[in-house]
Amino acid sequence: DTGVSQDPRHKITKRGQNVTFRCDPISEHNRLYWYRQTLGQGPEFLTYFQNEAQLEKSRLLSDRFSAERPKGSFSTLEIQRTEQGDSAMYLCASSLGENRVLFGSGTRLTVV
Amino acid sequence: TQLLEQSPQFLSIQEGENLTVYCNSSSVFSSLQWYRQEPGEGPVLLVTVVTGGEVKKLKRLTFQFGDARKDSSLHITAAQPGDTGLYLCAGPDRGSTLGRLYFGRGTQLTVWP
Repeated sequence: DTGVSQDPRHKITKRGQNVTFRCDPISEHNRLYWYRQTLGQGPEFLTYFQNEAQLEKSRLLSDRFSAERPKGSFSTLEIQRTEQGDSAMYLCASSLGENRVLFGSGTRLTVV
Repeated sequence: TQLLEQSPQFLSIQEGENLTVYCNSSSVFSSLQWYRQEPGEGPVLLVTVVTGGEVKKLKRLTFQFGDARKDSSLHITAAQPGDTGLYLCAGPDRGSTLGRLYFGRGTQLTVWP
């Protein structure tokens, strides 16, 4: 087991472009979470899935953001019409039920 | 929102010194977790404390959960350069899954050789 995997590790994009990130959770984990972390802050919850169902979304997840987990395995997070304020580290995490939550290494997004 | 305040925000010490960092809230948490994060990486779970007054030890690290489950501390004995990193405390949202965590802003620890 290689842990939670995120791709890409870094992404630089121009303002207004769309970007998509991928997360592969630990294989037997049924829950998957997305967090965002800006410089000098702790991670902030965005959304979570149990299997393929998206059960909760934070107010931080504006309508430009969409997350999917189509087969209950990997997940994607898409940001449309990126803005400079979207620059952050996007972290994915997974867990087996209410057991401990394990984080990936994140995708660092820079919007220029 | 269940806020977690961490102090100090920055700590710079020499190898061999002892230190304590704090995590405080006005809210009661069912559990608190401590993570360490290195630059460009995700947080790595160190420990979860669940019972009020609980003390857990992880080698030179001692974690304590307050009796009222509103605060926690992390004490490091004889700090080493390898302890350098961002230490984050986190607790679960009261009405949600354990994985919906509130994080503090962290304590950035630097240990100089």
